[in-house]
Amino acid sequence: EAGVAQSPRYKIIEKRQSVAFWCNPISGHATLYWYQQILGQGPKLLIQFQNNGVVDDSQLPKDRFSAERLKGVDSTLKIQPAKLEDSAVYLCASIVGTGGAGTGELFFGEGSRLTVL
Amino acid sequence: AQSVTQLDSQVPVFEEAPVELRCNYSSSVSVYLFWYVQYPNQGLQLLLKYLSGSTLVKGINGFEAEFNKSQTSFHLRKPSVHISDTAEYFCAVSDRGTYKYIFGTGTRLKVLA
Repeated sequence: EAGVAQSPRYKIIEKRQSVAFWCNPISGHATLYWYQQILGQGPKLLIQFQNNGVVDDSQLPKDRFSAERLKGVDSTLKIQPAKLEDSAVYLCASIVGTGGAGTGELFFGEGSRLTVL
Repeated sequence: AQSVTQLDSQVPVFEEAPVELRCNYSSSVSVYLFWYVQYPNQGLQLLLKYLSGSTLVKGINGFEAEFNKSQTSFHLRKPSVHISDTAEYFCAVSDRGTYKYIFGTGTRLKVLA
C-alpha cells in the first residue's frame, strides 16, 4: 500500500513570494490534514478536510494561507505572500475516516521543508 | 477545546536505564490518545495508541503507556532504553467525534552511552 505522498520535499523562496505544496493521501482515506512543524516544536494543525469539505481551519492564517481538496483526494496548500516565520516543515497526514471508522492512526507523509529568506 | 502538555522538553538518560516521558491532556469530550516518535530527519511514526479497553497499552520497540482518566495523563515508559531510542516523542489527542488531532510540543529523549 502506497503511503502519503508529498511534494516538493524542499523549497527555498524569498519573502513575499508564493509557494504551493501538494499532498496525495493513502487511497481511500477520507480525512486529510495539513500540519505546520516549526523546528523544535510539535506539529500545529492548519486545516482538516473530510472528503472535499473543511472540518476545521481555525488555525489557518487565512490572509496568506489557503488550501483546497477539490475532488476529495489530493490536496494543495498555498502560501502567498510568504513571511520569514513561515519557515517550517509542512506535513500532510490522512486517516481512513471519521465517526469511529478505522484505527484512528494518522499516517504522515515525509513533509515539505520550506525555507523563507 | 483540546490541549496537550508535555512538561519535559528534554530528557537525558543513560543507556539501559528506565525512562518516563510525561503527557497530560485536557478535553471536554472523549478522546483517543497517541504517542508518535520522530527520529532525526525522518517523518512521524506511531509508537502506540489508546482507543478503549485496557488502560495499559504496549507499543513498538518495548514502549508502553498508561491511560489515567482521573489524572488526564498518558505517560510513556520504557524499562531499559537504547542509544537508538534517541528521538523526539510527541503525545497527541484526538477528539473521538471529529478526529481533530492535537499534538504536544514534544520531548527530546537523548540516550547517553
